Amino acid sequence: GAVVSQHPSWVICKSGTSVKIECRSLDFQATTMFWYRQFPKQSLMLMATSNEGSKATYEQGVEKDKFLINHASLTLSTLTVTSAHPEDSSFYICSARDERGNSYNEQFFGPGTRLTVL
Amino acid sequence: GENVEQHPSTLSVQEGDSAVIKCTYSDSASNYFPWYKQELGKRPQLIIDIRSNVGEKKDQRIAVTLNKTAKHFSLHITETQPEDSAVYFCAASIRGSYIPTFGRGTSLIVHP
Repeated sequence: GAVVSQHPSWVICKSGTSVKIECRSLDFQATTMFWYRQFPKQSLMLMATSNEGSKATYEQGVEKDKFLINHASLTLSTLTVTSAHPEDSSFYICSARDERGNSYNEQFFGPGTRLTVL
Repeated sequence: GENVEQHPSTLSVQEGDSAVIKCTYSDSASNYFPWYKQELGKRPQLIIDIRSNVGEKKDQRIAVTLNKTAKHFSLHITETQPEDSAVYFCAASIRGSYIPTFGRGTSLIVHP
């Protein structure tokens, strides 16, 4: 199946700093990638849809200036948490859809990035 | 938009028993219903999915049923094993959209 990687797997930073998370589709191209946030024992909350070559589409309530998304190529999307604060601490997961054919709507998830802001 | 409700939030069973997790959805335009298994600290992984032109699908110990009229679908796990312990998420995608709406998750605990 399609493989999605994320880097870093975990990061600890000081309040006020910015953190960049990378999401890569390793064996397929993805014009669209998705960024989710997951709090402990809760569901996946869609933050934004990352579109290659154009602006990301943010879900209601998600600050686009806080969570910067760049989808510079067909295999890479980045999420930058700017001026991070402790309340931004969470598990961030990206996903992508393999558009080559039979997998239809199936989402392939990255392994996630655990962000802790001190 | 789509709204997916999932029950129960926690399910505890003995090894060998069956487990059933139920989801309802609100938008009749939804036509794709995947189920994901997420172990602690790991990524969600697709375990089975069903499309709206099918009423039931089975893969070894796992089966999913779909009732389009009632707008609900269920995951059935038979002969549960301790390694089945995880959080299970249902989801629904509206036709033409590739963005699933997830249920809140069910924490399944299988006691040996």
